[in-house]
Amino acid sequence: DAKTTQPNSMESNEEEPVHLPCNHSTISGTDYIHWYRQLPSQGPEYVIHGLTSNVNNRMASLAIAEDRKSSTLILHRATLRDAAVYYCILRDVVRTDSWGKLQFGAGTQVVVTP
Amino acid sequence: DTAVSQTPKYLVTQMGNDKSIKCEQNLGHDTMYWYKQDSKKFLKIMFSYNNKELIINETVPNRFSPKSPDKAHLNLHINSLELGDSAVYFCASSQLGQNTEAFFGQGTRLTVV
Repeated sequence: DAKTTQPNSMESNEEEPVHLPCNHSTISGTDYIHWYRQLPSQGPEYVIHGLTSNVNNRMASLAIAEDRKSSTLILHRATLRDAAVYYCILRDVVRTDSWGKLQFGAGTQVVVTP
Repeated sequence: DTAVSQTPKYLVTQMGNDKSIKCEQNLGHDTMYWYKQDSKKFLKIMFSYNNKELIINETVPNRFSPKSPDKAHLNLHINSLELGDSAVYFCASSQLGQNTEAFFGQGTRLTVV
């Protein structure tokens, strides 16, 4: 299974943007790049996903490199509520041996300072 | 309306006991999962059921037995609990074959003493 590499932690001031990098140099053509986050004492929640093009939603933006070997999750204005562990995950929903499972790594702990 | 709900939220029990955790989803998804998050916070998949059939079983001791009475429910029964089983267990659901999000429950914190 293709793996991802993320920094252990990142700090940001409130209302400033946060750029969370993720390397996935062994990504395959059918892997989508998913981001989930886990707030303290809660289950993981979906943030965003993409394949090749940059994506935006109400929570964040996802910028994907042209060669797809890396991506960056962008939180445009961090709030205290965004303090969480952010996971970058490659998900292949086509291959029957993966069956849509999510392979979590260690993630990036985002600390937001008031 | 909670999309994926687990009960109980907390479970403290003695070594050697048998316990169950229940999970229900009201999203109409055809696939449900159990994940385990250990003390080092690593989240790892344990089982997955698609339309009540077991499709993923990730090297989990056979003391753990999932049961899916219908598509909306996936329960986890654990026999002869050990100290190392202490963890947070998360249930999740998604629609297989579609690149849509997975929804997670709030977790069940199991403490074996």
